[in-house]
Amino acid sequence: AQSVTQPDIHITVSEGASLELRCNYSYGATPYLFWYVQSPGQGLQLLLKYFSGDTLVQGIKGFEAEFKRSQSSFNLRKPSVHWSDAAEYFCAVGSPSGGSYIPTFGRGTSLIVHP
Amino acid sequence: DVKVTQSSRYLVKRTGEKVFLECVQDMDHENMFWYRQDPGLGLRLIYFSYDVKMKEKGDIPEGYSVSREKKERFSLILESASTNQTSMYLCASSSPLFFWQFFGPGTRLTVL
Repeated sequence: AQSVTQPDIHITVSEGASLELRCNYSYGATPYLFWYVQSPGQGLQLLLKYFSGDTLVQGIKGFEAEFKRSQSSFNLRKPSVHWSDAAEYFCAVGSPSGGSYIPTFGRGTSLIVHP
Repeated sequence: DVKVTQSSRYLVKRTGEKVFLECVQDMDHENMFWYRQDPGLGLRLIYFSYDVKMKEKGDIPEGYSVSREKKERFSLILESASTNQTSMYLCASSSPLFFWQFFGPGTRLTVL
């Protein structure tokens, strides 16, 4: 069975500081990996995705993530955080099944940004 | 851009009422999903659908049913609402070609 662990429930950073959100997964084959962001009171929005190829992927809003097979990790990074990045971040893993895609989500990491 | 809309942002119902949550997507996606989101538990899949009139149970289907009579519309039904169904409900859609999901803004349901 596939699973996703986001070890940090909350992360607090100062505006302008760098950010890394951790994601570890368990999956039997090459996974499809995703990061989503949820702003307060909103639905989830895709930040970036990894299917294959280059293990460093770029996303929207200046985010990037690196797939490390040996560590079963897909950590999200941003070099300089803005106050508007305060949100809930979800990592997800999965693959196509029966012609569709059923992801498993982590429990989320809440990012707090101090001015 | 894909747009997924949900019929209500906030809903308050009483225990025992029948509740309908509607979701509509405008990008002709085959797949649609219903999740509930609770603090500390992340997103849990209730039901999903691959096609019109098709439905599959997710991880927590008990107390819920769904209906998909048209490709663009996926309804979640609480036959007899209970207080433990107070939650945020998120609808999503996806295409088999692209795999990632597009989410609606969510419906925050309170059952009193």
